[in-house]
Amino acid sequence: GAVVSQHPSWVICKSGTSVKIECRSLDFQATTMFWYRQFPKQSLMLMATSNEGSKATYEQGVEKDKFLINHASLTLSTLTVTSAHPEDSSFYICSARGQGANNEQFFGPGTRLTVL
Amino acid sequence: GDSVTQMEGPVTLSEEAFLTINCTYTATGYPSLFWYVQYPGEGLQLLLKATKADDKGSNKGFEATYRKETTSFHLEKGSVQVSDSAVYFCALSVVSSASKIIFGSGTRLSIRP
Repeated sequence: GAVVSQHPSWVICKSGTSVKIECRSLDFQATTMFWYRQFPKQSLMLMATSNEGSKATYEQGVEKDKFLINHASLTLSTLTVTSAHPEDSSFYICSARGQGANNEQFFGPGTRLTVL
Repeated sequence: GDSVTQMEGPVTLSEEAFLTINCTYTATGYPSLFWYVQYPGEGLQLLLKATKADDKGSNKGFEATYRKETTSFHLEKGSVQVSDSAVYFCALSVVSSASKIIFGSGTRLSIRP
């Protein structure tokens, strides 16, 4: 299957700082990328959907000013957690899908964010 | 709204045992159903899927049948191996919801040698 990478795989930051997480599709063009958040022993919760070149669509309850998503190219999307606080500590996972709504989503390995 | 409920874990079995992980769903449209697997330290991988009622998805010895009458998509394997140890997620996708995937809570499976 196609490969999606995330960087960094883990990050520790101080409260109040901003953290950027990258998601890359390595061998296909991702017209749509998704960002999920996974709490310990819980399911993945969709945060937002982004299409290349347009603004992200956020799920209800997700603060768009706090979780900035950029999808500037067909192979890269970034999630920036602004002014991070300890409650933002979580596992963030991206997925990417090629052209066509029925195409499979391929998932990245996730990024563990710990805010001190 | 659309949702997925799956069997809570963790589930611990001996090698070669029979596995069932229950999954039921609620959806307003006609969903596609999936099982994803997350091996330690890796990203989610699609294990199998079914797109319409009575379809059976299968892969690596795992099977699941789309049962519309019981709104279920239970995962089964006849003889598990240590390498099957992972977290398994049941999920659905409805085209009317922009094909967003909705996940169950995940079931951690551990297989003893």
